[in-house]
Amino acid sequence: AQSVAQPEDQVNVAEGNPLTVKCTYSVSGNPYLFWYVQYPNRGLQFLLKYITGDNLVKGSYGFEAEFNKSQTSFHLKKPSALVSDSALYFCAVRATPMNYGGATNKLIFGTGTLLAVQP
Amino acid sequence: GAGVSQTPSNKVTEKGKYVELRCDPISGHTALYWYRQSLGQGPEFLIYFQGTGAADDSGLPNDRFFAVRPEGSVSTLKIQRTERGDSAVYLCASSLYRGGPSSYNEQFFGPGTRLTVL
Repeated sequence: AQSVAQPEDQVNVAEGNPLTVKCTYSVSGNPYLFWYVQYPNRGLQFLLKYITGDNLVKGSYGFEAEFNKSQTSFHLKKPSALVSDSALYFCAVRATPMNYGGATNKLIFGTGTLLAVQP
Repeated sequence: GAGVSQTPSNKVTEKGKYVELRCDPISGHTALYWYRQSLGQGPEFLIYFQGTGAADDSGLPNDRFFAVRPEGSVSTLKIQRTERGDSAVYLCASSLYRGGPSSYNEQFFGPGTRLTVL
């Protein structure tokens, strides 16, 4: 089955420290991977994506993510956390069409990780 | 430029009623998606449009749910005979679509419509 796992419901980090939010995936074929952030009462905002190429992907607001094929992981990282980074983070993978030639661009999301950055 | 907009932002209805939720995608985006997000969960795919046609409706939970996009722009999600279990935030997203196996564009999400079925 195609799926995304975010093993941590919450990550706590002090401002200025590095942060990591974990994500693992299961999908057929080459994965297309995404990170989104959700602030309270606001929609999902795109942070970054991995489609192909360099395993280290840089995105918005100083975030980056590392694709690891052997571990089927796509962890989100930031060298120095800010209080304003506190939000809900979602990892997602593009689903592989169930049938050859089938069309889908649907995303499968993880359950989210709440990042809390303390001053 | 304008992002994805959704109306209404909140909808409260009674069990058994019919509701319509509207989505205005980013201008020029040919692909449009509907997701549903329940409390404490990630968004769950409902349906995907490429132009006017539904390319993938595998996420619609049952035949009470239906969506249209008649002119390839605005979309309406329609729910008949609403049930309390339909209460959730309904998210719409849109993206450019260039096609091809290595070309995939991120989806841009609207703020959502919070549906409450009493």
